[in-house]
Amino acid sequence: QLQLQESGPGLVKPSETLSLTCTVSGGSISSSSYYWDWIRQPPGKGLEWIGSIYYSGSTYYNPSLKSRVTISVDTSKKQFSLKLKSVTAADTAVYYCARQHDVRPMTTAEHWYFDLWGRGTLVTVSS
Amino acid sequence: QSVLTQPPSVSGAPGQRVTISCTGSSSKIGAGYDVHWYQQLPGTAPKLLIYGNSNRPSGVPDRFSGSKSGTSASLAITGLQAEDEADYYCQSYDGSLSGSRVFGTGTKVTVL
Repeated sequence: QLQLQESGPGLVKPSETLSLTCTVSGGSISSSSYYWDWIRQPPGKGLEWIGSIYYSGSTYYNPSLKSRVTISVDTSKKQFSLKLKSVTAADTAVYYCARQHDVRPMTTAEHWYFDLWGRGTLVTVSS
Repeated sequence: QSVLTQPPSVSGAPGQRVTISCTGSSSKIGAGYDVHWYQQLPGTAPKLLIYGNSNRPSGVPDRFSGSKSGTSASLAITGLQAEDEADYYCQSYDGSLSGSRVFGTGTKVTVL
């Protein structure tokens, strides 16, 4: 059964770059049926979509974060990664990696949903 | 910034029916994009509850149902149980921003 696991530093200093990796186990990352995403949740607040990547490398980003975000994929390692630069305390959050998919045949990607999630990792921005 | 609006909280006694609304705009839910729902139990990752407006993944009880009309969607929980106490989020696509996924503001369901 496919699983996702986030990894990376739990503490990042202000103005530095937050870097996280999501490892995909038990299945393929190189499929045209999936997008791979990052989503975050500040303590006590709601979910915020950060961005998506396709196995081919195509990316989509939340416009509010686009200038600071880079998502990349390494299919040989079955990993995809998040880099968020110039972080502030407002970037403190639980960061989740997730898979976008749709079991319904012939639906276009706009209708896909997040069917698998990692357990999340808390990243605190503090000096 | 959430662009799908949900009530902050709803509550009900065990066995009752509660509904959660999710309101968007003409470029999102109103443009025909599907709405999906997620349940987040305390201290855990969100879990898919409803996909494609009204479909339940395998293992989700039929007490949970979803619907969509116009620029809004709803999640209903019938026969409310203590284990349903959680946060619930709707999610859709923002057609005005290519590739953008959007979440609702979230609703806390309390079982009295």
